[in-house]
Amino acid sequence: NAGVTQTPKFRVLKTGQSMTLLCAQDMNHEYMYWYRQDPGMGLRLIHYSVGEGTTAKGEVPDGYNVSRLKKQNFLLGLESAAPSQTSVYFCASSPRDTQYFGPGTRLTVL
Amino acid sequence: SQQGEEDPQALSIQEGENATMNCSYKTSINNLQWYRQNSGRGLVHLILIRSNEREKHSGRLRVTLDTSKKSSSLLITASRAADTASYFCATDDTGGFKTIFGAGTRLFVKA
Repeated sequence: NAGVTQTPKFRVLKTGQSMTLLCAQDMNHEYMYWYRQDPGMGLRLIHYSVGEGTTAKGEVPDGYNVSRLKKQNFLLGLESAAPSQTSVYFCASSPRDTQYFGPGTRLTVL
Repeated sequence: SQQGEEDPQALSIQEGENATMNCSYKTSINNLQWYRQNSGRGLVHLILIRSNEREKHSGRLRVTLDTSKKSSSLLITASRAADTASYFCATDDTGGFKTIFGAGTRLFVKA
């Protein structure tokens, strides 16, 4: 099993550009999450999903959108990137309590 | 929102010593988890302790939970250089499916 994979690993955007981060899991988990991690601030929840076709807002959802059209995939979109969105983004999946994390995507917005 | 807060923020010890990290949270929980993050990598789950448990062991790890004080501790015994990482506590949201992570403790084990 590959576990949780994230695409891409690195990305540099200019302010105002858009992009989509892809998260895929092969563990048949119901729950999936997107976090961002900034220095000294731990992980902050952006959006999450409790099943295919469902999404919900986390702590810091502004500027991001998500979709969960298939159970195994959870997409995070930035419609108009801002320098404040420079961060490391982690995806996680969970059968209920324990979360399994992907390797992260390092995004820089210039 | 409830949040786990780790203490200390950073800890430096010699190989072979024990490392203790503490976590405090604000509201009632169903469970509390500890995760490890090596530099530049994703988080890895270490241990989960439920609100009706007081202590749990896993290998060299010992976790305690005091719900009356809203606190937990993670003890790593006989530390190794490979234990160098950041350690995060995470509490669940009793009203939903969210998990809230603290800012973490950075542990450095000197060989």
